[in-house]
Amino acid sequence: SQKIEQNSEALNIQEGKTATLTCNYTNYSPAYLQWYRQDPGRGPVFLLLIRENEKEKRKERLKVTFDTTLKQSLFHITASQPADSATYLCALGGGYIPTFGRGTSLIVHP
Amino acid sequence: GAGVSQSPSNKVTEKGKDVELRCDPISGHTALYWYRQSLGQGLEFLIYFQGNSAPDKSGLPSDRFSAERTGGSVSTLTIQRTQQEDSAVYLCASSLAPLSAGGTGANVLTFGAGSRLTVL
Repeated sequence: SQKIEQNSEALNIQEGKTATLTCNYTNYSPAYLQWYRQDPGRGPVFLLLIRENEKEKRKERLKVTFDTTLKQSLFHITASQPADSATYLCALGGGYIPTFGRGTSLIVHP
Repeated sequence: GAGVSQSPSNKVTEKGKDVELRCDPISGHTALYWYRQSLGQGLEFLIYFQGNSAPDKSGLPSDRFSAERTGGSVSTLTIQRTQQEDSAVYLCASSLAPLSAGGTGANVLTFGAGSRLTVL
């Protein structure tokens, strides 16, 4: 069955450093991959989308890579800030229903 | 409206009671999704609507769960005879009309804040 893995342990980093979050998947060939941010008590908010034929996407301080051979996506936040602290979810899709990972909590310390 | 609205934001009920959760999607979004998020778990897909039809209800955990959508807008998720394992945050999301299954559509979902259900 399809499986999406995100590190369940929280990632703690110092302000100003680059945060890198990983999303691995198996038994799946997604046409696209999305990253969402979720704050406590709120629904996920869309951040970035990358398609299977794209290697990298950037938006401001965010960068996403998508390696369909490794079946992995990396999500980078450069010059991280305490306000970036949240849970980050990856979602894979090939049609109209994205499948979500459990998310990784990021904590940026001042 | 400007965003996806869900109500109630919190619901505490006793085991065996029925509950209704409401979702008001973004105006013009024809696709509507219900997901469930339990503590420490990922988002579990429940049901998808395109217009008023539900082409995929494969995620509904049991026949105690049902959902409908009327007027291509508001959706209601009903849980009958609630059980303690139904306790979770129920999230609704909407998106613009997607491409057909197997295509390369890449729906961006806009989520509501969720309805937290606690079954005692």
